Amino acid sequence: GIQVEQSPPDLILQEGANSTLRCNFSDSVNNLQWFHQNPWGQLINLFYIPSGTKQNGRLSATTVATERYSLLYISSSQTTDSGVYFCAPSQGGSEKLVFGKGTKLTVNP
Amino acid sequence: DTGVSQDPRHKITKRGQNVTFRCDPISEHNRLYWYRQTLGQGPEFLTYFQNEAQLEKSRLLSDRFSAERPKGSFSTLEIQRTEQGDSAMYLCASSLIGGVGEQYFGPGTRLTVT
Repeated sequence: GIQVEQSPPDLILQEGANSTLRCNFSDSVNNLQWFHQNPWGQLINLFYIPSGTKQNGRLSATTVATERYSLLYISSSQTTDSGVYFCAPSQGGSEKLVFGKGTKLTVNP
Repeated sequence: DTGVSQDPRHKITKRGQNVTFRCDPISEHNRLYWYRQTLGQGPEFLTYFQNEAQLEKSRLLSDRFSAERPKGSFSTLEIQRTEQGDSAMYLCASSLIGGVGEQYFGPGTRLTVT
């Protein structure tokens, strides 16, 4: 099956800093989602982005499907951005998501 | 739209007992997925339903696990003869086939087997 690698595994920022999270995947995909998992375990949808670029406030994402990677940009980070960010592409008719191990982001005040 | 709900949110059980979890998807979503997440890892796919039909099961889903989605609405996941290795967060997600295909997750059921 598809392999998903996320980098960096851990990231510590000061409030106000910008960051880029990367997701590499090993095969062609139907779609790709980015999630933020809060401290209570809830997965919050950030982007549904099989290709192209999308922006939502301070967050934006780009997927280059032909080169098998996706990037999540966080600008002017806030302490509430802390948590684990997951990239999850999907394949096949089921469109089951395959998750990476995530990037743990800590934003300090 | 009330989102995906799961019940219970937490379950503590003794090894060898049976447990059952419930998931209510977003109304009109015809696909429902179960995932399992252990500490420090991303969620892993267990099984999915399209309407009431269970169409795919992961090799992670041993014979002690069974899932149902009668009438194509809510779903249940049962674990028989629980083992300590079953301790995890069990997540449910739903999506709309024919729509964008984006999956939305519930808050999860955290299972602890003692």
